[in-house]
Amino acid sequence: SAVISQKPSRDICQRGTSLTIQCQVDSQVTMMFWYRQQPGQSLTLIATANQGSEATYESGFVIDKFPISRPNLTFSTLTVSNMSPEDSSIYLCSVETGDTLTYGYTFGSGTRLTVV
Amino acid sequence: KQEVTQIPAALSVPEGENLVLNCSFTDSAIYNLQWFRQDPGKGLTSLLLIQSSQREQTSGRLNASLDKSSGRSTLYIAASQPGDSATYLCAVNQAGTALIFGKGTTLSVSS
Repeated sequence: SAVISQKPSRDICQRGTSLTIQCQVDSQVTMMFWYRQQPGQSLTLIATANQGSEATYESGFVIDKFPISRPNLTFSTLTVSNMSPEDSSIYLCSVETGDTLTYGYTFGSGTRLTVV
Repeated sequence: KQEVTQIPAALSVPEGENLVLNCSFTDSAIYNLQWFRQDPGKGLTSLLLIQSSQREQTSGRLNASLDKSSGRSTLYIAASQPGDSATYLCAVNQAGTALIFGKGTTLSVSS
């Protein structure tokens, strides 16, 4: 199955600033997914990122706030823009493994963001 | 819209007990169902994946079952250990789409 390297693992940021989170996959994947996990909550899908096209955002998430890049089949970034304390969450990227039917989905180790 | 529910939200058991975690989903047209474990402040570790055509999967002390027609899955943990303490998440997807997660069951196993 795929291995994902996610950076940074954690950060403390000032309100009004932006943070870019990176995910590097050790194999080529078609789709990458970005999730948010607010404190004490489960994972909520932010967007689906396909290489060569704009990301598709879920209801409640907009590109201006969470711009996503997908320059190639192994890499993606999520930026959290103009941050406020409400953006304090764990952000995770995910990919389908080579054989979704057999292996399902793999997740990065997450980025724990605290906005002060 | 697919919704995933997990019961109970929290569970505390003494070491050695067998236990069952429940997951239900509203749309039975799923591709896969996947159980994950999440330790506090950490990412997700995949435990078991059940394809829609399968009824159960086993890995060590873990057994997951799937009743697609009724929209239910259970995760059975045998002979629980303190190291099993974590949040267990159930997630489903349709082909080519992202996983939809339940809110999880937080398990505490005391020694």
